[in-house]
Amino acid sequence: AQTVTQSQPEMSVQEAETVTLSCTYDTSESDYYLFWYKQPPSRQMILVIRQEAYKQQNATENRFSVNFQKAAKSFSLKISDSQLGDAAMYFCAYRRKNTGNQFYFGTGTSLTVIP
Amino acid sequence: NAGVTQTPKFRVLKTGQSMTLLCAQDMNHEYMYWYRQDPGMGLRLIHYSVGEGTTAKGEVPDGYNVSRLKKQNFLLGLESAAPSQTSVYFCASLPTGPYNEQFFGPGTRLTVL
Repeated sequence: AQTVTQSQPEMSVQEAETVTLSCTYDTSESDYYLFWYKQPPSRQMILVIRQEAYKQQNATENRFSVNFQKAAKSFSLKISDSQLGDAAMYFCAYRRKNTGNQFYFGTGTSLTVIP
Repeated sequence: NAGVTQTPKFRVLKTGQSMTLLCAQDMNHEYMYWYRQDPGMGLRLIHYSVGEGTTAKGEVPDGYNVSRLKKQNFLLGLESAAPSQTSVYFCASLPTGPYNEQFFGPGTRLTVL
């Protein structure tokens, strides 16, 4: 079974600074997708960024970027120029490429942004 | 376009009672999923469906049943609720095709006393 590990239950960052959230996963599959979701206090799950395992280039979405290390099975999220609105729970997720397309989520990292 | 909706948003049950959570999506997505979210546990997959009339077990299926009689609806049932089923339940849908993300409903907070 696939497992996703987020080893940082809580992180904090000063406004305008940069923070990196870590995620590792365990799989025997060679092709899959990886995602970062944000969950603010409203509970709504919001996609932040995604990466396909076959793509070497790290994904970037505005202030959000990832460091994808396939051999190390690592998928960290970097948030640049942190804003107060970035405060939320962040979940790393692994999506299988199979019939069910199941997603496996990490336990989350709670990010606090300090003004 | 309402996206993914869940009914109800909150519910309190007594141990042994039954209830059904309704998930509806208007995006014509093939895949639908039910998760539970508990503190420190992330989201765990309960059941999922790869199309109308199909269901399959996820990581934590015990105590739950599901049905997908119509493509747009995915029902989660608790036949005899237990305090261990106190949680926030999320429904999600996924369109076919590569590289797509799941679209989530707003969640249902269920308390079993």
